[in-house]
Amino acid sequence: DSGVTQTPKHLITATGQRVTLRCSPRSGDLSVYWYQQSLDQGLQFLIQYYNGEERAKGNILERFSAQQFPDLHSELNLSSLELGDSALYFCASSGHHRGRTTPLHFGNGTRLTVT
Amino acid sequence: GESVGLHLPTLSVQEGDNSIINCAYSNSASDYFIWYKQESGKGPQFIIDIRSNMDKRQGQRVTVLLNKTVKHLSLQIAATQPGDSAVYFCAENSVNYGGSQGNLIFGKGTKLSVKP
Repeated sequence: DSGVTQTPKHLITATGQRVTLRCSPRSGDLSVYWYQQSLDQGLQFLIQYYNGEERAKGNILERFSAQQFPDLHSELNLSSLELGDSALYFCASSGHHRGRTTPLHFGNGTRLTVT
Repeated sequence: GESVGLHLPTLSVQEGDNSIINCAYSNSASDYFIWYKQESGKGPQFIIDIRSNMDKRQGQRVTVLLNKTVKHLSLQIAATQPGDSAVYFCAENSVNYGGSQGNLIFGKGTKLSVKP
């Protein structure tokens, strides 16, 4: 168990809809990362938050947004959903130990199916 | 090696043998590399990492080798067990994302199949 919790595990929705994915990082980790895993693109970095603030952006669409709350949990919001958004969405967290960033630990993901 | 989409390269080994999974990375400026194992229905699980100031690092039953000259990374698993069957991903830190260690570029993965 990585200590990163993601809900829900599965989500089925229709095109045009909006969904929210939730992530609780490992205890003590301040950074949260969102990744998308699809068959054709593999694992792709979307966005990072550190202690409530956006730190870095990757290949995240404008229809997607995220936030990190004071209790450090994070939500990924996906709107105007398209069939191509069907994928696994992973959250990962990292912290600091002896002055270095710890490796990312991933949750078990949310499988999103857009019909 | 890397592949695209459903056509993951597959490495099939006999239980007890050593496995070597290879990865070519893309950015010569990357300074941090990491291997993950992903089992079906689960998220990537950290195995081992290495920084560019090293060329070898050992863990429990695993060794990572880094050859910066040819931009090549390998993962060696000693005495491979059926529980090692999974997809293995290498990842590199892309300085294009501000150098944050967590903004990783992942390879497409290699499927390891261990025969009992």
